[in-house]
Formats: sequence, structure tokens, C-alpha cells
Amino acid sequence: EDKVVQSPLSLVVHEGDTVTLNCSYEVTNFRSLLWYKQEKKAPTFLFMLTSSGIEKKSGRLSSILDKKELFSILNITATQTGDSAVYLCAGTYVTDKLIFGTGTRLQVFP
Amino acid sequence: GAVVSQHPSWVICKSGTSVKIECRSLDFQATTMFWYRQFPKQSLMLMATSNEGSKATYEQGVEKDKFLINHASLTLSTLTVTSAHPEDSSFYICSARGTGGDQPQHFGDGTRLSIL
Repeated sequence: EDKVVQSPLSLVVHEGDTVTLNCSYEVTNFRSLLWYKQEKKAPTFLFMLTSSGIEKKSGRLSSILDKKELFSILNITATQTGDSAVYLCAGTYVTDKLIFGTGTRLQVFP
Repeated sequence: GAVVSQHPSWVICKSGTSVKIECRSLDFQATTMFWYRQFPKQSLMLMATSNEGSKATYEQGVEKDKFLINHASLTLSTLTVTSAHPEDSSFYICSARGTGGDQPQHFGDGTRLSIL
């Protein structure tokens, strides 16, 4: 059965800390892996990863995919209180459906 | 770019009524739209995949007669919850995917549905 597993389930840090969120997947006919940030409403798109070993970066956020070991990480450096959210990882396969992990709840305190 | 608008954002109605939720891609064309349901503190659960001009594909366990999906144009899909009951209360979210190549799904802001 296809599945996406995220760890840790929750994380509490202080502003300025660096965090690493993990995502492992088992998806038949895997196509790409996506990261989303969900605050109070619907998820907002962060990254889409299709190739192994190529880091994608956006400001303080970066992500990389390892297709051999079937995992991805999302790094956030110099965290801010505005980074507090649930971070969702999802794998897609040939039909473009997304299989979501349960998410990592990040809380950043000042 | 890649803005998806969902309306209404919140609706409360009596048991037995039908509720229509609209999902629009504002600045791109979406041949495929998706409808999800999310329970508190849980992840998104795919309900159905909607392709423009054809019938929606429903996930296992989702009643197609209960959740009617129409995708009449490249920018609009609708979900109608028919004869809604309290157990249908949930957060419903749509997403849209652009045409061509590897495109991510972009999500609307969701609709919180409360059935009394």
C-alpha cells in the first residue's frame, strides 16, 4: 500500500533555531514529491522535487530528494514565529494524485 | 500566479439541504481539479479527481451520489453535497493543477461546512 510518513509529528523550537523535517515514502510509480505549508486554511505550495540530489531553495527554506533511499527533507534556517504551521509532504504518482503524510506541526516561540 | 479561489469559505445549513462549493483557478487553466476533505488534526483525504468535460473519478468509499462534482470549464469545478447531514460537516478543500509538464497542485482556501 502506498504511504508517506513524516517525522517528527511535532516540533517546538525557539526563534533562530534550524529545523529539519523528514519525509519517507513508498509510492508505486512515483513521480514527484511536494512540500506544503498549512496554517489555518488550505495548504500553500513550497517545493516540488522530481530529481534526486538537487536542492531547491527559497529564502530560509530548502529541500532535497533522495530517490534511492525514498526520502526527502525540508530545512528551515533561522526560524521565525511566522514559520509556525503544519508542514505536509506528499508523493505523486502517474495519475497525479497526491498521497499526503500526516504532517509535522512546527511551533516557533520567540 | 497560480491562484485558486474557493467559495464560500464557511457555510452553516440545516440537515437535508444541499450545498454547492465552487473552485476556480483564477490565473491559469486547470484540466484537472481535486477535491479533498480534512478532519481536525488530520491530513487531507482525496475524495475525487475532476477532469474538465468528463465524469469525476471518486476514491473508494466516497459516495458519488452524495458528492456531485461538475467540471464544466477549464477554470471551474463545483462540489455539491446533497441532502447534507451532520456527519458531512468537515473542511472541504479543492486544488487545481495547471496543464503541461510537471505542475504542482495549488489549493483553494477551503470551505468549512457545518450541518446543524
